[in-house]
Amino acid sequence: EVQLVESGGGLVQPGGSLRLSCAASGFTFSRYEFNWVRQAPGKGLEWVSYIDGVGSTTYYADSVKGRFTISRDNAKNSLSVQMNSLRAEDTAVYYCARIYSGVTYVFDSWGQGIPVTVSS
Amino acid sequence: DIQMTQSPSFVSASVGDRVTITCRASQGISSWLAWYQQQPGKAPKLLIYGASSLQSGVPSRFSGSGSGTDFTLTISSLQPEDFATYYCQQANSFPLTFGGGTTVEIK
Repeated sequence: EVQLVESGGGLVQPGGSLRLSCAASGFTFSRYEFNWVRQAPGKGLEWVSYIDGVGSTTYYADSVKGRFTISRDNAKNSLSVQMNSLRAEDTAVYYCARIYSGVTYVFDSWGQGIPVTVSS
Repeated sequence: DIQMTQSPSFVSASVGDRVTITCRASQGISSWLAWYQQQPGKAPKLLIYGASSLQSGVPSRFSGSGSGTDFTLTISSLQPEDFATYYCQQANSFPLTFGGGTTVEIK
């Protein structure tokens, strides 16, 4: 069974940093591309970042470019995002989402989500 | 960036009703479109990819159509478990973008 479990969320002050992780199991992690997608309270879904299977190609939404860094450790079946210079508008539930193998940029599996609150 | 516009934002419907949700892309995306269902407090669930391909395990009452800029998600006979929010997503190019969502509510 595919499992994606996020961790590392919580309350952080504006300007602070947080590192989210996503532990994967039930499939061959290195064969898949991954993303972070977030959802602000009461709002819709917003794509945040993408990483390919080997970690050589990454993309970011303009709203987080230069502040967030996505990475992966295929030996540990783990995806991460380092979030720096956090702002109130980064408050959201963050999901790690797997790209459907063979289907471009469609998310077939999602974690349960982890809340991040940026507030003083 | 490709903007995705969903309509309507809210649908009030009864069990057994046929429900149609539309999604329009600001530029042509061929068939690079997916639909997701999200229950309150839960992660989204993939329903349709490639505009019309049903994800494994998804009931056949769900169907998708369209290409280019105009797409449709249809639920042929609404069931109690279908009351949720639905999102379209363009899978054509980065930044990947979602529609604003359509909430299907119980009438």
